[in-house]
Amino acid sequence: AQSVTQPDIHITVSEGASLELRCNYSYGATPYLFWYVQSPGQGLQLLLKYFSGDTLVQGIKGFEAEFKRSQSSFNLRKPSVHWSDAAEYFCAVGPYGGATNKLIFGTGTLLAVQP
Amino acid sequence: NAGVTQTPKFQVLKTGQSMTLQCAQDMNHEYMSWYRQDPGMGLRLIHYSVGAGITDQGEVPNGYNVSRSTTEDFPLRLLSAAPSQTSVYFCASRVQANQPQHFGDGTRLSIL
Repeated sequence: AQSVTQPDIHITVSEGASLELRCNYSYGATPYLFWYVQSPGQGLQLLLKYFSGDTLVQGIKGFEAEFKRSQSSFNLRKPSVHWSDAAEYFCAVGPYGGATNKLIFGTGTLLAVQP
Repeated sequence: NAGVTQTPKFQVLKTGQSMTLQCAQDMNHEYMSWYRQDPGMGLRLIHYSVGAGITDQGEVPNGYNVSRSTTEDFPLRLLSAAPSQTSVYFCASRVQANQPQHFGDGTRLSIL
């Protein structure tokens, strides 16, 4: 069955430190992969996406992610975290099923940034 | 550029009441979806539509109805609200299946 796992529920990093958020997926075909960010009280904003091609993708706000097929992973990274990066981050994979509109979301990783 | 607009932003209902959550997008997107977000469970798909007149069920459709009479609007109906439907509801749209979704700001619904 298709699934997305974000093993870290909550991460705290210091401002200026590097960040890596983990995402592992189970999917029967070549997936489309996404990272979204959600600030408190807001909807989800797309950070980056992977469809095909270069396995290292660049996104907005200085984020990048690397697709590793052998590890079924799509980890999100940022070299230097800013206080404004504190938010919840969701990994998603899709489409799946008979219809092409379905995405599976992970349960999210809540990022706290210490000054 | 409004994007995806959800109304209301907050709502409190009593058990058994009915309600419609509104969703409108101005990007001429064919694909629209409704998700609910609950702590520790991520986003779960309730219903979705691939175009006007076409809807289908997602992961958690029970207790919800949808319709898609126009490209722009995709309302979600709770016919008889239950406390288990207390959640944050997000509407999303995208231009085609393999493109990222654009999300609204959510509707925070409490059922007493």
